[in-house]
Amino acid sequence: GAVVSQHPSRVICKSGTSVKIECRSLDFQATTMFWYRQFPKKSLMLMATSNEGSKATYEQGVEKDKFLINHASLTLSTLTVTSAHPEDSSFYICSGREPPRDEQYFGPGTRLTVT
Amino acid sequence: AQRVTQPEKLLSVFKGAPVELKCNYSYSGSPELFWYVQYSRQRLQLLLRHISRESIKGFTADLNKGETSFHLKKPFAQEEDSAMYYCALSGSGNTGKLIFGQGTTLQVKP
Repeated sequence: GAVVSQHPSRVICKSGTSVKIECRSLDFQATTMFWYRQFPKKSLMLMATSNEGSKATYEQGVEKDKFLINHASLTLSTLTVTSAHPEDSSFYICSGREPPRDEQYFGPGTRLTVT
Repeated sequence: AQRVTQPEKLLSVFKGAPVELKCNYSYSGSPELFWYVQYSRQRLQLLLRHISRESIKGFTADLNKGETSFHLKKPFAQEEDSAMYYCALSGSGNTGKLIFGQGTTLQVKP
């Protein structure tokens, strides 16, 4: 099946710094990628929809200036957490949508810890 | 409002027992419903979607529009079914956006 990778798998950064997370579709072209956030023992919360070559669409309550999303190609989307705070610590998961069935394939997630 | 509710955080059954993981949804249009599974230390993966009407690993789920439910069932649980199960909804418009329920941990005891 289709595979989505994320890099890094874990990252620790200091408050005030920015961190970039990459999401790649390895064997298919993902016209749309999605970014989710998962709190401990909670569900996945959709943050934004990323379409190749256009601006991301953010869900209500998600700060677009804080969570910068770039979908530079059909196989790569990046999420940059800017000026990170401890409350941004979370598990971030991306998914890629593969036509024509439009099935979503999920990455393994990135654990972000802000100290 | 669009919402997916999984009332049980944990469901514990013995091997060979029937399993039903409950999922109710709230959506004004015609949604597409999914069940995703996450085994220990693995990524989230699709188990089944209602439009396919297929059985995967012995699991089935029927969309009941009257009760706005999409419960996941399996007649005889296996230990390898132990995992986290998420019910999810995708609305009309083909955006692909998924709304997830809170998840239910299924624990199958030997």
